Amino acid sequence: DQQVKQNSPSLSVQEGRISILNCDYTNSMFDYFLWYKKYPAEGPTFLISISSIKDKNEDGRFTVFLNKSAKHLSLHIVPSQPGDSAVYFCAATDSGTYKYIFGTGTRLKVLA
Amino acid sequence: GAGVSQSPSNKVTEKGKDVELRCDPISGHTALYWYRQSLGQGLEFLIYFQGNSAPDKSGLPSDRFSAERTGGSVSTLTIQRTQQEDSAVYLCASSLIAGGKNNEQFFGPGTRLTVL
Repeated sequence: DQQVKQNSPSLSVQEGRISILNCDYTNSMFDYFLWYKKYPAEGPTFLISISSIKDKNEDGRFTVFLNKSAKHLSLHIVPSQPGDSAVYFCAATDSGTYKYIFGTGTRLKVLA
Repeated sequence: GAGVSQSPSNKVTEKGKDVELRCDPISGHTALYWYRQSLGQGLEFLIYFQGNSAPDKSGLPSDRFSAERTGGSVSTLTIQRTQQEDSAVYLCASSLIAGGKNNEQFFGPGTRLTVL
């Protein structure tokens, strides 16, 4: 049973346009959500997070939106740059625990 | 270096052999985690340490897998009698404490294990 789902395995976007990566979850106990970015042959690096008490968190070009009723979150990258090309993982946790549940990732390719 | 380090970066072994994977967490981080990423899959939780104790070993796939952590720092993941399905990237992460918000896990570069 996959509690965190990223249904798009890949996404291609033109440089300068918006990239939207989506993530769905099933466990209503999750109250903290994170996005990690992974380049080949490197470990995932933390990008941005959001608590369930918010519906939006912004950090520079990156914004995460959370829709609790739909159990859906999305990562927006504006404007997209070629260096953003990577695999993006969504993760969710019940902050009272330690365990992150990761999605299967979305490979973003930003075309120059 | 201030990040999480793992060794070796690549390991090729024959089916049936034992392997040891090492993780050096960020200094001062009390929590340490092991994950596995198989081809086309997400990160699968294996085990977590708080200090030298492993309160949750539920993610270990079989009794061929074990892990220990000494001195609240370095951790070793051991896979005995490796099988081809063990082939994956094994990732280690650490965090200041376990759980909570604004307490992100920092990942190492991983060890790519190939079992022939």
